[in-house]
Amino acid sequence: QVQLQQSGPGLVKPSQTLALTCAISGDSVSSNGAAWNWVRQSPSRGLEWLGRTYYRSKWNHNYAVSVKSRISINPDTSKNQFSLQLKSMTPEDTAVYYCASGTTALGDYWGQGTLVTVSS
Amino acid sequence: QSVLTQPPSASGTPGQRVTISCSGSSSNIGRNTVNWYQELPGTAPKLLIYNNNQRPSGVPDRFSGSKSGTSASLAISGLQSEDEAAYYCAAWDDSLDGWLFGGGTKLTVL
Repeated sequence: QVQLQQSGPGLVKPSQTLALTCAISGDSVSSNGAAWNWVRQSPSRGLEWLGRTYYRSKWNHNYAVSVKSRISINPDTSKNQFSLQLKSMTPEDTAVYYCASGTTALGDYWGQGTLVTVSS
Repeated sequence: QSVLTQPPSASGTPGQRVTISCSGSSSNIGRNTVNWYQELPGTAPKLLIYNNNQRPSGVPDRFSGSKSGTSASLAISGLQSEDEAAYYCAAWDDSLDGWLFGGGTKLTVL
């Protein structure tokens, strides 16, 4: 059974960088069969996939077009976790952010969610 | 606006069968499989259907999925009050090189 535990701040000032971490238990961030994703949910935009990292002989990344210029998702093999960095935050980035695994399918396991509010 | 199009709302009475549609294009649903998720207020989304019609362990067989061409459908039979939730479809898009979600359908059990 995979468990994902998120950590990070719930309040970010406009123009600052959001940093969230997702710790994995029950699987490995380096697993050849898995992908590690970030998804956000807001009333105005619904569910929005932000990006993923995965290992297939080397590390790979895919990012959503909407955030591609300001997002970074990185694995940390020493701590078996992965992180999200989203730069230049605006109030429109206010949302609940989830980490999610993708082994059998996208979102077979989810983190608990972090409500991130962008406000000064 | 989502590239995967769902009706914003659907409704049914207990025991009824309801279907929710998801319309895409040749770069997403036309080439790749479709997943469906259930979202209850205040909780993380739950994977309901993957690979068009496969149910993860623990998902009741009242939930079923299908795909034809560039469209997919989620069917819920024997509707129950606890099925009142938002439902989202998702598919990989080869042109965008990323996952797309539909805009979501809010299901009301009358």
